[in-house]
Amino acid sequence: EDKVVQSPLSLVVHEGDTVTLNCSYEVTNFRSLLWYKQEKKAPTFLFMLTSSGIEKKSGRLSSILDKKELFSILNITATQTGDSAIYLCAVEAGQAGTALIFGKGTTLSVSS
Amino acid sequence: GAVVSQHPSWVICKSGTSVKIECRSLDFQATTMFWYRQFPKQSLMLMATSNEGSKATYEQGVEKDKFLINHASLTLSTLTVTSAHPEDSSFYICSARVPGQGDTIYFGEGSWLTVV
Repeated sequence: EDKVVQSPLSLVVHEGDTVTLNCSYEVTNFRSLLWYKQEKKAPTFLFMLTSSGIEKKSGRLSSILDKKELFSILNITATQTGDSAIYLCAVEAGQAGTALIFGKGTTLSVSS
Repeated sequence: GAVVSQHPSWVICKSGTSVKIECRSLDFQATTMFWYRQFPKQSLMLMATSNEGSKATYEQGVEKDKFLINHASLTLSTLTVTSAHPEDSSFYICSARVPGQGDTIYFGEGSWLTVV
């Protein structure tokens, strides 16, 4: 059975800290891994990763995929209170056009 | 701007009634859309895959007679919660794959359903 596991499930940090969120997966016919940020409503897209070792970066956020070890990390540097959210990792696997398989998410709380 | 639009954002209904949630793709055609539900502090759980012009594919444990999905056009899928019960109260989200943008999957804004 395909599965996506995120860790930690929750995290509390102070503003300015750097955090690393983890996502490991076991799926058949991996296609891509995606990171989303969810605040009060629907998830918003952060990154899509398909190739190993290529870092994707957007401002203070970055992510990288290791297809050999079957995991990805999402880094957030110099955290701000606005980074408080649930970060969801999802994997697209199997045939093209299939739904995403989500991890349980990491709830990040950044205190001022 | 939003590429997938969902309506309504909030809905409260009485037990036993039916509620329809719409998911529209904006400026693109979506032959496939996905419906998820999310309980508080939990992750998204796939309910069904909505296929334009054909029957939806439901995940195990999801009652197809209770959660009716219609994908009559290439830009609209609807989820109807029939004979709603309080335990159906949840956050429902649709998503679609946007062609030409790396096939990234985008989500609608979500719909909060409260059944009283």
